[in-house]
Amino acid sequence: QSVLTQPPSVSGAPGQRVTISCTGSSSNIGANYDVHWYQHLPGTAPKLLIYANNNRPSGVPDRFSGSKSDTSASLAITELQAEDEGDYYCQSYDSGLSGSVFGAGTKLTVL
Amino acid sequence: QVQLVQSGAEVKKPGSSVKVSCKTPGGTFSRHAISWVRQAPGQGLEWMGRIIPSLRVINYARKFQGRLTITADKSTSTAYMELTTLRSDDTAIYYCARHTYRVLSNWFDPWGQGTLVTVSS
Repeated sequence: QSVLTQPPSVSGAPGQRVTISCTGSSSNIGANYDVHWYQHLPGTAPKLLIYANNNRPSGVPDRFSGSKSDTSASLAITELQAEDEGDYYCQSYDSGLSGSVFGAGTKLTVL
Repeated sequence: QVQLVQSGAEVKKPGSSVKVSCKTPGGTFSRHAISWVRQAPGQGLEWMGRIIPSLRVINYARKFQGRLTITADKSTSTAYMELTTLRSDDTAIYYCARHTYRVLSNWFDPWGQGTLVTVSS
């Protein structure tokens, strides 16, 4: 059971906007540790999508954006495309566990 | 483009050990850590531990302390993950990742291609 809580699944039609939430606590996100997001498509290695809450690595489309507030964070994906279908994970650091932690992941389905 | 290249798939018996390697580009060890993350079938990503070669610092997730050893060979820019006393629930894809660490912020990019470790009698 992860200390970062994500919805198991979200879905949207092509062209729509979806958001994925990541809820933590006072020992991780609420302790001012940054949140990062990864895209994990079938048969591939995870890919960094957003780092330090709201920064996109080079090459990541601006359809992907992140935000953070208090003990939670969100990933927003606009103009949904079929190729976006896969699993999305948030990640942060937990001072109680003294290590990095991932959310359980959210499966995005493009209808 | 930075690439991390991992060793090939392994099949192990319960109770045995496995050692997975992760070759990194030269210079990686001077500025970054290397973390190991695994994904069991049908499960999410799980952070296992990290090594900061330049500082000789190694941290393990509590779940793996006592069974996990992470090392780094600076001469070959290769990191290693050894897991002992293997059980069937250690069957997973094991990834290495370059770990950028800052005060209050640390993330993984890029990742190796993954190594499937199957534990079966």
